[in-house]
Amino acid sequence: QVLLQESGPGVVKPSETLSLTCTVSGGSVSGHDWNWIRQPAGKGLEWIGRIHTTGSTNYNPSLKSRVTVSVDFSKNQFSLRLSSVTAADTAIYYCAKDWGGYVPTWLDSWGQGTLVTVSS
Amino acid sequence: DIVMTQSPDSLAVSLGERATINCKSSQTVLYSSNNKNYLAWYQQKAGQPPKLLIYWASTRESGVPDRFSGSGSGTDFTLTISSLQAEDVAVYYCQQYYSTPLTFGGGTRVEIK
Repeated sequence: QVLLQESGPGVVKPSETLSLTCTVSGGSVSGHDWNWIRQPAGKGLEWIGRIHTTGSTNYNPSLKSRVTVSVDFSKNQFSLRLSSVTAADTAIYYCAKDWGGYVPTWLDSWGQGTLVTVSS
Repeated sequence: DIVMTQSPDSLAVSLGERATINCKSSQTVLYSSNNKNYLAWYQQKAGQPPKLLIYWASTRESGVPDRFSGSGSGTDFTLTISSLQAEDVAVYYCQQYYSTPLTFGGGTRVEIK
């Protein structure tokens, strides 16, 4: 059973870059495909992007110009960077594993989520 | 993007009764080459992350009680809770993985009547 845990600053200033890390335990980060999803308070889910085991990435076009997802094999972690943030980026951010394959599928393991607030 | 529309937004059901949640996609999520519907369902309880219930529109994830079932094909799908239990109070989401970006329905809140 893969366990995921998000970490990172809870507050980010407008126009700065949001950086989050997801630590994977109970499995290798190199053996699966990884996603980031966010959820504004009281609202629905928005898929941000995914990194495949090959290192290829897929991003939501609505965020693509500002998003980078990467993997750190030595730390068994993967990361999210979202640049030029505004208040609209305030949300709970989740990391999640998908079933696998060349394209994203269903998300079968989720972290507990971390709240990021964009505020000066 | 494929738009996922759920109905109703919320419903209240008596304990032991059936709850039915609908999900409609703006285009088909049935992949003709393998005849599979690229649709999943999740349950999100208050303060928790979503939990996978069903994938391929009707395949229950391991450990999910059999009172949860998924049906439908093409653009119209249903999640049914056959006998609502107190622990089923949650928001339920459908999600398509036919194409990127992955997209979710707006959610349906299930409460006890």
